Amino acid sequence: GAGVSQSPSNKVTEKGKDVELRCDPISGHTALYWYRQSLGQGLEFLIYFQGNSAPDKSGLPSDRFSAERTGGSVSTLTIQRTQQEDSAVYLCASSFRRGGRENEQFFGPGTRLTVL
Amino acid sequence: SQQGEEDPQALSIQEGENATMNCSYKTSINNLQWYRQNSGRGLVHLILIRSNEREKHSGRLRVTLDTSKKSSSLLITASRAADTASYFCATGNYGQNFVFGPGTRLSVLP
Repeated sequence: GAGVSQSPSNKVTEKGKDVELRCDPISGHTALYWYRQSLGQGLEFLIYFQGNSAPDKSGLPSDRFSAERTGGSVSTLTIQRTQQEDSAVYLCASSFRRGGRENEQFFGPGTRLTVL
Repeated sequence: SQQGEEDPQALSIQEGENATMNCSYKTSINNLQWYRQNSGRGLVHLILIRSNEREKHSGRLRVTLDTSKKSSSLLITASRAADTASYFCATGNYGQNFVFGPGTRLSVLP
């Protein structure tokens, strides 16, 4: 079956504009994660959705960042009033919990965001 | 602060040699996972080891977990040029997000 897909693959925007990044997880996966990765750096956790539970938003860097997951499937990460420091690759991953145990995460190819 | 810290930050070896990367973490975990990233985009899952396991194998990969020392190691045997990538460990607990370390950049020279 299809893997995790993200769109767009690349996004160039001007400082101050809003952007929306989309993630289509693997069908049936109950957990969805957003990460951010700056050039040559590790992954920075942003937000985590698990089933119908309240999302873990502890990694969102500011109130300009928000995310939603509609119908337990597709997720959108929105960055308002973008700043140059928001430039990074935004990665989405999904996983399937079985018997209360976490399993491997499947990553999408990422969206490379450039804020001019 | 980072939960997982890989060591070394960078490693350069000759093709055919073994590569060993280590990961240390601070708090108790349910599982630890290793991922590979080839091109700065998506990550590929390599292996998951649970807290009640001490060693797992997958092909040329061997992962160990020492919960008393809060550390894990990833061994790649008979390395190939195609193994050149960044390797990340991620620690997880039930129902919580995973925390990734900054990664080890492995270069396998032909």
